[in-house]
Amino acid sequence: DAMVIQNPRYQVTQFGKPVTLSCSQTLNHNVMYWYQQKSSQAPKLLFHYYDKDFNNEADTPDNFQSRRPNTSFCFLDIRSPGLGDAAMYLCATSRGPGTGGFTEAFFGQGTRLTVV
Amino acid sequence: KQEVTQIPAALSVPEGENLVLNCSFTDSAIYNLQWFRQDPGKGLTSLLLIQSSQREQTSGRLNASLDKSSGRSTLYIAASQPGDSATYLCAASGGSYIPTFGRGTSLIVHP
Repeated sequence: DAMVIQNPRYQVTQFGKPVTLSCSQTLNHNVMYWYQQKSSQAPKLLFHYYDKDFNNEADTPDNFQSRRPNTSFCFLDIRSPGLGDAAMYLCATSRGPGTGGFTEAFFGQGTRLTVV
Repeated sequence: KQEVTQIPAALSVPEGENLVLNCSFTDSAIYNLQWFRQDPGKGLTSLLLIQSSQREQTSGRLNASLDKSSGRSTLYIAASQPGDSATYLCAASGGSYIPTFGRGTSLIVHP
């Protein structure tokens, strides 16, 4: 059974049109991450949540925002997508420190975003 | 800031060979190191997790080792098969507990 689910798998959006990607988990992990991966590059961390605490990477563009309404769901909002935002967006979860040790990070299948 | 490097960037081998993929990280104060597989256009599948107190982990034909003092991990694939063709990424989780990735090794195993 899928444990980290991302929707949609493929998203085509127009230049400048806001888009939202979603992620849900059944693992009850307290940490959730959003990564951006461009072709042949390492996944790059955009944000992460430790429980409800939001942590933004210093170099994440303001165009990207995130919401975590509850433990199970997390959303990535791109306010005005540009051509350079076309990428694979990966959601992941893990247990954080102080919860009995670390577990492995589990990833979803990703959302491939195309900007036209 | 943690930096992760993977060598080689690409590898093409005939079926049946034993392989070694290398991963190095700059900050040895890690909590764990994880190896992933990524098929084209797909997400990441966890292969092996090595906690900082461990030296190696094995799963089937895969064996991963960790040497924190030298900042290195290796993934050993025994008797490679065409189905092993994929990109293999390593990720080190350090003091911030967040996985930091290398760019991966793209592996092709041809029949």
